[in-house]
Amino acid sequence: LAKTTQPISMDSYEGQEVNITCSHNNIATNDYITWYQQFPSQGPRFIIQGYKTKVTNEVASLFIPADRKSSTLSLPRVSLSDTAVYYCLVVSAGAGSYQLTFGKGTKLSVIP
Amino acid sequence: ETGVTQSPTHLIKTRGQQVTLRCSSQSGHNTVSWYQQALGQGPQFIFQYYREEENGRGNFPPRFSGLQFPNYSSELNVNALELDDSALYLCASSPSGVPQEQYFGPGTRLTVT
Repeated sequence: LAKTTQPISMDSYEGQEVNITCSHNNIATNDYITWYQQFPSQGPRFIIQGYKTKVTNEVASLFIPADRKSSTLSLPRVSLSDTAVYYCLVVSAGAGSYQLTFGKGTKLSVIP
Repeated sequence: ETGVTQSPTHLIKTRGQQVTLRCSSQSGHNTVSWYQQALGQGPQFIFQYYREEENGRGNFPPRFSGLQFPNYSSELNVNALELDDSALYLCASSPSGVPQEQYFGPGTRLTVT
């Protein structure tokens, strides 16, 4: 079962690029890396997922190095509405079942 | 397209009682997962259902049980409630073959007194 480690909190000014790194040293070959965003009193929202290299969508980019022991979520030009908790999730598949592990999350505060 | 819905929104129970929480998955999704989120913590995986069968379980005791119905809706049952069971219970559905891409409902806030 892959464990994840992220910074507890980060601050950023509006308009800056924010990079949040997650380490998952014991990630297995079949595991995927996924990031979620959560606002207070709401369920998490899927942001992006990847297996290796770089993935980009309209919201964020995900960088995964060759050894896959870490991943970095990149949010371009953040705004106040990006203030939320960001979770790194490793999805482990084995013997037909799926184990899902959320990290403790990174609380991002965007400052005007 | 209807998203994931959960009922009830809030619930207050007494220690020792039993509770059933309900979830309707997003249209076309046949996999449902349940999570427990204590205040200030990340969601903790309880179990996952795929086509009406349990398809993975986290570190929760047997008094946490579930069901998935033919229409892919789901129930979470918790017996012998303890004070530490007070939390936000989240349901998430995902499309077939893509369990890492999950769509969460708004949650049920359970308070055990």
